[in-house]
Amino acid sequence: AQTVTQSQPEMSVQEAETVTLSCTYDTSESDYYLFWYKQPPSRQMILVIRQEAYKQQNATENRFSVNFQKAAKSFSLKISDSQLGDAAMYFCAFIGGNQFYFGTGTSLTVIP
Amino acid sequence: ETGVTQTPRHLVMGMTNKKSLKCEQHLGHNAMYWYKQSAKKPLELMFVYNFKEQTENNSVPSRFSPECPNSSHLFLHLHTLQPEDSALYLCASSQLLGTSDSEQYFGPGTRLTVT
Repeated sequence: AQTVTQSQPEMSVQEAETVTLSCTYDTSESDYYLFWYKQPPSRQMILVIRQEAYKQQNATENRFSVNFQKAAKSFSLKISDSQLGDAAMYFCAFIGGNQFYFGTGTSLTVIP
Repeated sequence: ETGVTQTPRHLVMGMTNKKSLKCEQHLGHNAMYWYKQSAKKPLELMFVYNFKEQTENNSVPSRFSPECPNSSHLFLHLHTLQPEDSALYLCASSQLLGTSDSEQYFGPGTRLTVT
């Protein structure tokens, strides 16, 4: 079975500090894609960053970067210089072989 | 309008009612999805349409009936729902299915309450 696990239901970070959200997945697929989505309170879910499994280089989008460890099936999200607007639910997602799986989410609080 | 839109944003219905949720995407995508989001549970994929053809039905009860008349519109018809069906229903679209262009763009969701 293919699954996505986010082991941290809640995280908090001081404004301007760095936080890392963890995600692990299980799959037998060799070709797949990983995503982090952000869902602010009562707002639309938006894509934060994506990683193709065949790429060894970790994806980076401004203050957001991932640590992709394919052998360990780990896909963590690092948010640098955290801002108040980063407060949201963060979902890790796996897409492979036309199958889609999301984790249960991590609620991130940013402390002023 | 741009992106993925969903109407209505909020819906309260009785267990004997019939209602429909509408999703429209303005991104020129070819795949559309319905998800159910309940508190403290992973997003549950319900249906997938690719080029108007249904490709996935993840054991969804027949009281949920999808319809995809074209690549831009997706409906979810509801009838004789149960209180446990109360949730946020999200629509999403992607350019293609199962490729590097499969990142999904989500609508704002319909908050459904079944009384």
